[in-house]
Amino acid sequence: QKEVEQDPGPLSVPEGAIVSLNCTYSNSAFQYFMWYRQYSRKGPELLMYTYSSGNKEDGRFTAQVDKSSKYISLFIRDSQPSDSATYLCAMTRTGQAGTALIFGKGTTLSVSS
Amino acid sequence: DVKVTQSSRYLVKRTGEKVFLECVQDMDHENMFWYRQDPGLGLRLIYFSYDVKMKEKGDIPEGYSVSREKKERFSLILESASTNQTSMYLCASSFRDRGNQPQHFGDGTRLSIL
Repeated sequence: QKEVEQDPGPLSVPEGAIVSLNCTYSNSAFQYFMWYRQYSRKGPELLMYTYSSGNKEDGRFTAQVDKSSKYISLFIRDSQPSDSATYLCAMTRTGQAGTALIFGKGTTLSVSS
Repeated sequence: DVKVTQSSRYLVKRTGEKVFLECVQDMDHENMFWYRQDPGLGLRLIYFSYDVKMKEKGDIPEGYSVSREKKERFSLILESASTNQTSMYLCASSFRDRGNQPQHFGDGTRLSIL
């Protein structure tokens, strides 16, 4: 079983839709969870960063972590064409020096106007 | 804003060449990382460094080496380039000692080995 699973999509939605992106993971030691957005031919850009279980909201974006189910989600409200990108979930075990991120393979989202 | 700068956006080299990819960050981050990104495989860690002159192997270090002579600069070296090293290479950096800190990425170098 892979450490982090993410549906690659592609996911196509109309402008204004609510988008739900998800990742599951197998390692219960993961504590820090991130969502990155990557536009074509650019590097990943940090969107959301959460620790442990619960919700975190930032504008149209909400990150949700359910450690009991080993499941994380990113919700995008009122989606815009500018949200069209690949979304990567990432997680790490501890805050120790040099701890590397474990990434999902990314979900490609297309928002049509 | 955090700035991670990779020296080249696109690079074309020949098999057998020694290739240098350079990365510079301006946020005084202790940690620096090199990943490669391939379709269907996602991001895979090649090497990372948590201090000057320190390095640790990641998941796929074979065929690569790194150099960190200054805190702000982390170089990835392909000792003898091969076609299976054609990929997008991404550099990232983060703080080490301020709790867990997320990594910030550069825009990548798309490397083609012919």
